[in-house]
Amino acid sequence: EVQLVESGGGLVKPGGSLRLSCAASGFTFRTYSMNWVRQAPGKGLEWVSSISSSGTYTYYADSVKGRFTVSRDNAKNSLYLQMNSLRDEDTAVYYCARDPSRSIPPPDYWGQGTLVTVSS
Amino acid sequence: QSALTQPASVSGSPGQSITISCTGTSSDVGGYNYVSWYQQLPGKAPKLMIYDVSNRPSGVSNRFSGSKSGNTASLTISGLQPEDEADYHCSSYTSSGTLVLFGGGTKLTVL
Repeated sequence: EVQLVESGGGLVKPGGSLRLSCAASGFTFRTYSMNWVRQAPGKGLEWVSSISSSGTYTYYADSVKGRFTVSRDNAKNSLYLQMNSLRDEDTAVYYCARDPSRSIPPPDYWGQGTLVTVSS
Repeated sequence: QSALTQPASVSGSPGQSITISCTGTSSDVGGYNYVSWYQQLPGKAPKLMIYDVSNRPSGVSNRFSGSKSGNTASLTISGLQPEDEADYHCSSYTSSGTLVLFGGGTKLTVL
């Protein structure tokens, strides 16, 4: 069974940093590209970032480019999102999501999400 | 790049059919058959209901179906049941640098 478990969310002040993690199991993690998708309170889904299966290629939404960094450790079956210079508008539930086996989105499996709240 | 366009809400009575539209451009919905639909129950993660425009993952009821015409994709739910009440989101691959777009979500109310 595919499982994606996010962690690392919490309350942080504007300008602060946070690192999210996603632990994957139930599939061969190193062969799948992965995504971070967020959902602000009461809003729709917003794609944040993607990373290729090897980690060679990374992609970012304009809203987070230069502030967020996606990475992965295939030996640990883990995906990460380093978030710096956080803003109020980054407040959201952040989901880790797997791309289908063809490595082209949209995602198929999603984690349960971790809440990030940016507030002074 | 703008999100895909969905109606904010739709409603129907038990047993009826409803259709939710998702409009994009030739760079996303119209250009590729990589359109997915997700069901999101309150406080839960999105669940894949339709992929590649019209395919259902194993375990998803055949009351859910998807289609596409031009730049607009559609999700149809037939034989509405109370448990279908949820938010529904569409998503598409895009040839722009953002890779994937989502719609704003549609709240389905089963009256």
